[in-house]
Amino acid sequence: KQEVTQIPAALSVPEGENLVLNCSFTDSAIYNLQWFRQDPGKGLTSLLLIQSSQREQTSGRLNASLDKSSGRSTLYIAASQPGDSATYLCAVDRGSTLGRLYFGRGTQLTVWP
Amino acid sequence: GAVVSQHPSRVICKSGTSVKIECRSLDFQATTMFWYRQFPKKSLMLMATSNEGSKATYEQGVEKDKFLINHASLTLSTLTVTSAHPEDSSFYICSARADPSTGRGQYFGPGTRLTVT
Repeated sequence: KQEVTQIPAALSVPEGENLVLNCSFTDSAIYNLQWFRQDPGKGLTSLLLIQSSQREQTSGRLNASLDKSSGRSTLYIAASQPGDSATYLCAVDRGSTLGRLYFGRGTQLTVWP
Repeated sequence: GAVVSQHPSRVICKSGTSVKIECRSLDFQATTMFWYRQFPKKSLMLMATSNEGSKATYEQGVEKDKFLINHASLTLSTLTVTSAHPEDSSFYICSARADPSTGRGQYFGPGTRLTVT
């Protein structure tokens, strides 16, 4: 069974800091890994998708890396802003026919001015 | 990015009534759709997986007769909460998965807040 863990559970920083959010998974046989953002009372917004054959993906101030062999992914947020405050979730797709995602519990990020 | 819509965004109903929630993928065909439930400050709990034209696969502990799922087309799935009770009050989120050969991941709807009085 695939288990996904995210560390830290919560993070509070002043704006401008560079941040690293961690995600680990127990089964390295994955199809892809996605990072999502969820604002309170809202659905999930896909931030970055890394295929199993890739090492990293970048979008603006966000960079996600994937080390499949060690079962780890990191989300790097550069020059954080108060608007980045949200819960960040990583999810692993094992690539089965059903294609269900296995989620971590998320990291709740607060960036204060 | 791809767009997935849910309707309604909020619904209040009385105990014993049924509520239908729609999930649509607006700009791609979803071979598979998923329904999740989320309690306050908790992560998402997968309820069921539906493939177009076939019966949904429910997770352990989820009553299939209470949470009816219909995946009528490659762009539409519906979740009907039958004989709703206050404990069914929750945030329901759907997601849609494109064909894996496209290299795309999953996209989530904005969620539906259900309140049963």
